[in-house]
Amino acid sequence: GQSLEQPSEVTAVEGAIVQINCTYQTSGFYGLSWYQQHDGGAPTFLSYNGLDGLEETGRFSSFLSRSDSYGYLLLQELQMKDSASYFCAVRLSNSGYALNFGKGTSLLVTP
Amino acid sequence: DAGVIQSPRHEVTEMGQEVTLRCKPISGHDYLFWYRQTMMRGLELLIYFNNNVPIDDSGMPEDRFSAKMPNASFSTLKIQPSEPRDSAVYFCASTTGGGNTEAFFGQGTRLTVV
Repeated sequence: GQSLEQPSEVTAVEGAIVQINCTYQTSGFYGLSWYQQHDGGAPTFLSYNGLDGLEETGRFSSFLSRSDSYGYLLLQELQMKDSASYFCAVRLSNSGYALNFGKGTSLLVTP
Repeated sequence: DAGVIQSPRHEVTEMGQEVTLRCKPISGHDYLFWYRQTMMRGLELLIYFNNNVPIDDSGMPEDRFSAKMPNASFSTLKIQPSEPRDSAVYFCASTTGGGNTEAFFGQGTRLTVV
C-alpha cells in the first residue's frame, strides 16, 4: 500500500523557522512535491524534489533523501500569511503525473 | 489563462439525486486529475486522464461515480445516485506533463448531500 506520514499540526512564531517532515512508503517513487492550501482555497504548488538534496525557492526550501524515504519542507522568516496546511505528495510513476498526498500539516503562525 | 475552472463552486443536493461536477483545464495541459478532499481521508486521487483518455480510475470509490473527458477542454465527474458520505470538496487539476511537475488546481466544488 501507499502511506505518507507528516505531523498533523505545527505552531511557530512569526519570524521563526519551521521544518515539516514527511516520510513515505510507496510501491513506486519518482519524486516528492509540496503543496500549500489556505482554508477554503485550492492546493498550490510550492516545490518538487526529483533527486536527493535541497531545493531552495525564496523563503521555502525542500529536501529529499530517497534512501531514507524522507523529505522535509523548511519555511524561514515565517509570516502570518504562512498559516495554512502543507501537504507532501509522492509522484508514483515517471509515465504519469498523478500525486498521492499525505494528510497534511496545519501550520499556525502566531505573533 | 484563467486557470483551472470548476463549476459549480457549491452544490447542495438530496440523497439519491444525480450530481454532475464540471472542469475546464488549462489550455495545452495534457493531464487532468479529479481529487476528493475530506477531513478523514485527506486528498484522494479519484481518476486521471491523459490526452482525454482515462489512465487510472482505481481511486473511483464505486460504480456510482463516473468521469468523462469528451475533449481537451472539458471534463465531468458524475455521481448517481448521491449519498451523504459523498459530501466533500472535489478538486480538478491539470498539468502539462513532459517533465513539468506542477499540478494546477481549480477552486473546487463543495458538495453537500443531505
